[in-house]
Amino acid sequence: KAGVTQTPRYLIKTRGQQVTLSCSPISGHRSVSWYQQTPGQGLQFLFEYFSETQRNKGNFPGRFSGRQFSNSRSEMNVSTLELGDSALYLCASSWDRGMETQYFGPGTRLLVL
Amino acid sequence: KQEVTQIPAALSVPEGENLVLNCSFTDSAIYNLQWFRQDPGKGLTSLLLIQSSQREQTSGRLNASLDKSSGRSTLYIAASQPGDSATYLCAVATNAGNMLTFGGGTRLMVKP
Repeated sequence: KAGVTQTPRYLIKTRGQQVTLSCSPISGHRSVSWYQQTPGQGLQFLFEYFSETQRNKGNFPGRFSGRQFSNSRSEMNVSTLELGDSALYLCASSWDRGMETQYFGPGTRLLVL
Repeated sequence: KQEVTQIPAALSVPEGENLVLNCSFTDSAIYNLQWFRQDPGKGLTSLLLIQSSQREQTSGRLNASLDKSSGRSTLYIAASQPGDSATYLCAVATNAGNMLTFGGGTRLMVKP
């Protein structure tokens, strides 16, 4: 069974631009969560989608948004990029809620110049 | 607000040693606790998942325990190998969704 895939793997943007990252969960998984990892703040939860609905949201500004499609694939968008948005963005998938192991993708490394 | 702390932040041991990594959390109302491994620049690999009703889980040379009442978990690695060198992260889920709160990690180096 294929694992969680994320595209692109690396991205360089400039301040003020916007970016869209994509995550394809493991086949059959309906929950997709997004995390931001930085050296200073560690791993922080962004949001979770389940069956196309946002189920949980972390403490990030409205510039960070996401969505989930009917095939469970998810995208996250960051508008008006800031230098501090440079990070490794990880997505995780699981079959359902709370009781299941979450499987992480390899991440998208975003550099904002 | 749930806070997760991992001690020590870094650990260096000779090959073959048994070791314990610690994780503590402030809110004992958790659904589960997971231990992950992260290699440099890579994603996270799930090692063990302990449900809130369980006390421990084992996989190969790894054993994780959970004490909800004291807000602690430990990851025991037996007979460490250089390939175990990585950052180990614990994370807790405190609601019915899949929102995980992570600790800062323990960076482990196993020297040959």
